[in-house]
Amino acid sequence: DAGVIQSPRHEVTEMGQEVTLRCKLISGHNSLFWYRQTMMRGLELLIYFNNNVPIDDSGMPEDRFSAKMPNASFSTLKIQPSEPRDSAVYFCASSFRRDTIYFGEGSWLTVV
Amino acid sequence: DQQVKQNSPSLSVQEGRISILNCDYTNSMFDYFLWYKKYPAEGPTFLISISSIKDKNEDGRFTVFLNKSAKHLSLHIVPSQPGDSAVYFCAARSSGNTPLVFGKGTRLSVIA
Repeated sequence: DAGVIQSPRHEVTEMGQEVTLRCKLISGHNSLFWYRQTMMRGLELLIYFNNNVPIDDSGMPEDRFSAKMPNASFSTLKIQPSEPRDSAVYFCASSFRRDTIYFGEGSWLTVV
Repeated sequence: DQQVKQNSPSLSVQEGRISILNCDYTNSMFDYFLWYKKYPAEGPTFLISISSIKDKNEDGRFTVFLNKSAKHLSLHIVPSQPGDSAVYFCAARSSGNTPLVFGKGTRLSVIA
């Protein structure tokens, strides 16, 4: 079975550019989570969806960040405009009800 | 304020000995606890979990202990192997399909 698939795996972009990170959920899962990992803050939740509906986006750092689920199996996280402090590893994860959540391999973002 | 705390950023253990990773939490609504393991350049992978109705759960070399009155859990790895060297994240969630809250992680190094 395919796990959570994230793209791109690595992205280097210039400050001010738009960044779009993509995530494909595990088939049958109905919850989607975006996490960000930094040295200072560890793994922090940005936003999560249940059945395509955003439930809690209080972890989204600023209005420059937005996330969507256009369908039940796919999500995007967009940063516009990007800033150097957005450099981090962004993880997408999915789960089914209260089951364990499964992570993708992460998208490594560097904003210069 | 951190709801899940891993106060030891790193731990070194000799191969064959016991590794004990600790985690404290503050939210009394948490009722399910998990440990994830993360290798460099990979996403976190689920290791073991425990429900708040139990005080111990064992899976092979891995045992998780939960002390609800102290709001403390620990992961024991016996015997430790070099392949166990990774960052270990403690995570917790409350009832419903709520997202996991993670600690900052403990880097375990098992020395041969």
